[in-house]
Amino acid sequence: GAVVSQHPSWVICKSGTSVKIECRSLDFQATTMFWYRQFPKQSLMLMATSNEGSKATYEQGVEKDKFLINHASLTLSTLTVTSAHPEDSSFYICSAAGAVNSPLHFGNGTRLTVT
Amino acid sequence: SQQGEEDPQALSIQEGENATMNCSYKTSINNLQWYRQNSGRGLVHLILIRSNEREKHSGRLRVTLDTSKKSSSLLITASRAADTASYFCATDGETSGSRLTFGEGTQLTVNP
Repeated sequence: GAVVSQHPSWVICKSGTSVKIECRSLDFQATTMFWYRQFPKQSLMLMATSNEGSKATYEQGVEKDKFLINHASLTLSTLTVTSAHPEDSSFYICSAAGAVNSPLHFGNGTRLTVT
Repeated sequence: SQQGEEDPQALSIQEGENATMNCSYKTSINNLQWYRQNSGRGLVHLILIRSNEREKHSGRLRVTLDTSKKSSSLLITASRAADTASYFCATDGETSGSRLTFGEGTQLTVNP
């Protein structure tokens, strides 16, 4: 089945640094990828929709300059958390859409801890 | 924004029992999906039910959809300890494409 690889699975960084998270579709092309954020014992909150070859679409309340998204190819989207703060600590999950009307495929998530 | 509400928030049962989780939503949908998430992991797709369908089965899973009540239920029969996880419903609307809105989730614990 379709596989989405997310890397790294966990990262610890210091306040003020930037962290890049990669999301790859391994065996299908994904023109659209989605980035979610999940706090402990809560649901997934959509942060942005990543579109190959164009700018990402951010959800209301998500700072586009803080959460930089790049979707440079049909198999790779990256999320960069810039100038990270402890409140950015969370679980970040990506998903990718393959064929139209097919279920989304999710990466295994990245646990970000900002100290 | 989250439009789905799920109940119960947490459910604890014994192995072999059935588990039923409910999901309600607010706007018109194209499809409703159920996902499973093990602790600290990504989501695994379980089943998709289209807005013109009322019931769907997959192995030990049974999903119902009542669009008049804007609600869905997920039934897991003959539960196993390995079914312990969080379960989320997710909806996509007529104009949202693959953009999903997730419910709050139900934490299921199956005790051996």
